Amino acid sequence: NAGVTQTPKFQVLKTGQSMTLQCAQDMNHNSMYWYRQDPGMGLRLIYYSASEGTTDKGEVPNGYNVSRLNKREFSLRLESAAPSQTSVYFCASSLVGSSGNTIYFGEGSWLTVV
Amino acid sequence: QQQVKQSPQSLIVQKGGISIINCAYENTAFDYFPWYQQFPGKGPALLIAIRPDVSEKKEGRFTISFNKSAKQFSLHIMDSQPGDSATYFCAAINSGGSNYKLTFGKGTLLTVNP
Repeated sequence: NAGVTQTPKFQVLKTGQSMTLQCAQDMNHNSMYWYRQDPGMGLRLIYYSASEGTTDKGEVPNGYNVSRLNKREFSLRLESAAPSQTSVYFCASSLVGSSGNTIYFGEGSWLTVV
Repeated sequence: QQQVKQSPQSLIVQKGGISIINCAYENTAFDYFPWYQQFPGKGPALLIAIRPDVSEKKEGRFTISFNKSAKQFSLHIMDSQPGDSATYFCAAINSGGSNYKLTFGKGTLLTVNP
């Protein structure tokens, strides 16, 4: 039972480079999310997708783009990476409408921008 | 504007002691309050959750206490064990809202000494 799978696990980028973080869930969830986690800042929502075909900005969307490719997959793209985007990124999913709106997280992607 | 305030930022407890983490919220539309547990190198995972129609929920050694009038809720870990050492996040959501977004506190790093 894979749950939420993110790739890559670790990545080092140079300033100005671009990259895409991939995420897939196998729980037939309708909503998917991208969070970033920084020391002392908790979990901050970057973008989310309430359902296939829709995406919306979260708390810290600047510098990022997302694509909800299908119900299973939700990718996060950094077009021109900056050192401020050094962080741990978590993809998550939930089944909206279920009791409690439990959000399930992936294991994280550690990104360093030098 | 932080809608969920969590304290303390870090906590050290001796084995067998009680760990208490507090959260306060502002949005009275919140109606579901989960706690997430995160071990180093892993994604957060749902630990326990409560709705405001009850004042307390207990699951094993973990208890949530909820005070609706004060807009506060807390996590109590009884008989704390070294294996409980992790970061704990409180969160809140308006489950009837249209944006399906959890609002997280900034986290508490719990260390249980043997």
